[in-house]
Amino acid sequence: GAGVSQSPRYKVAKRGQDVALRCDPISGHVSLFWYQQALGQGPEFLTYFQNEAQLDKSGLPSDRFFAERPEGSVSTLKIQRTQQEDSAVYLCASRPTSGHTDTQYFGPGTRLTVL
Amino acid sequence: AQSVAQPEDQVNVAEGNPLTVKCTYSVSGNPYLFWYVQYPNRGLQFLLKYITGDNLVKGSYGFEAEFNKSQTSFHLKKPSALVSDSALYFCAVRDIRTGANNLFFGTGTRLTVIP
Repeated sequence: GAGVSQSPRYKVAKRGQDVALRCDPISGHVSLFWYQQALGQGPEFLTYFQNEAQLDKSGLPSDRFFAERPEGSVSTLKIQRTQQEDSAVYLCASRPTSGHTDTQYFGPGTRLTVL
Repeated sequence: AQSVAQPEDQVNVAEGNPLTVKCTYSVSGNPYLFWYVQYPNRGLQFLLKYITGDNLVKGSYGFEAEFNKSQTSFHLKKPSALVSDSALYFCAVRDIRTGANNLFFGTGTRLTVIP
């Protein structure tokens, strides 16, 4: 079956531009996560949705970062006024339920480069 | 606070030999432990997880991991390495005591299997 998909796969932005990254989770998955993976590092948590509710946004690095999942399926991560330190791979993951033991399934990521 | 350590940035092993990728963790409560693999330009692919029960967990592609509570370790193993196992491996932990839903990742270990 179809996995988690993300678009675009690559994004180049000039410093100060706004960007929007899209995540299509596995159909029917309740939980959705965004992670940021800097070069040579492990993924770091950004935010978590259960259906359309954003239950945890403690990992968002600044108020320039905003995420939404208005209908409980597709999610968008928006970064305003991008900075060079925002350059990273942004990973989306979905989980079947809100159950703590469930596995998170990751998409291929969006590589963002800010010039 | 929760943390994950992968003490080896790089592991080299000859094809056909057994492989071990090390992971130790620190959590305040009981951990849920995961291993993921990342191939170039692709997202993280789930290998296996420990939730409870038998300390030896078997996963995809012949990989297994042993949960050792006294040593707070969860090393990934495979009896006979394949060249196709060459990839970046991430250990992750979820501290169920905190109630947080996200995973906390190590910095990754690059495995190279030499033909």
